[in-house]
Amino acid sequence: SYELTQPPSVSVSPGQTARITCSGDALPNQYAHWYQQKPRQAPLLVIYKDTERPSGIPERLSGSSSGTTVTLTISGVQAEDEADYYCQSADSSGTFVVFGGGTKLTVL
Amino acid sequence: QVQVVESGGGLVKPGGSLRLSCAASGFTFSDFYMTWIRQAPGKGLEWVSYISSSGFSIYYADSVKGRFTISRDNAKNSLYLQMNTLRAEDTAVYYCAREHLHCNGANCYRWFDPWGQGTLVTVSS
Repeated sequence: SYELTQPPSVSVSPGQTARITCSGDALPNQYAHWYQQKPRQAPLLVIYKDTERPSGIPERLSGSSSGTTVTLTISGVQAEDEADYYCQSADSSGTFVVFGGGTKLTVL
Repeated sequence: QVQVVESGGGLVKPGGSLRLSCAASGFTFSDFYMTWIRQAPGKGLEWVSYISSSGFSIYYADSVKGRFTISRDNAKNSLYLQMNTLRAEDTAVYYCAREHLHCNGANCYRWFDPWGQGTLVTVSS
């Protein structure tokens, strides 16, 4: 079955830049989307279609794509950005949805 | 505002059944695909199933195919998940989410927003 691979954890100091990657063979042909999940809360869409930001999401969160890897970048990390981040995409047919394993972002 | 609210979770014995519901408001329910996604305790997100706006197109993850049935009632702005032959590994928070679908030629892309707060299903004897 199709898989998306994320690093389990990323750590960064406040004010620095965090980059969370997500790799998958179908990503050149499928958009990726990113969700932020804080403890005891539902996931929140923060990036869709690789680079688009929903209204209300801070500009310091951005997305990019290159080949089989997509990246969520958080510039000027703040304590409130500490959360689990999941990428999501689909298989090459666009039929079956897949999530990455999640990355825990720790703000030191 | 746009929101979805799940209900129906609880404790059930292995082999038992449970029906989850999701009430939608703040948008034209009949215009959107809808999705169920689950999260086992301490684990990541797992897509379960989605249903088209009309209800005619339905897909399931292999882990639930043949045991779970997704359905919707557009007149009641409601989504459902009938779960049969439940197993311990089905224990999870189940989220309902509105699906955004964008198709470009032969390719379709889907993402989810908003999500409900989730309902906990525990399968244990």
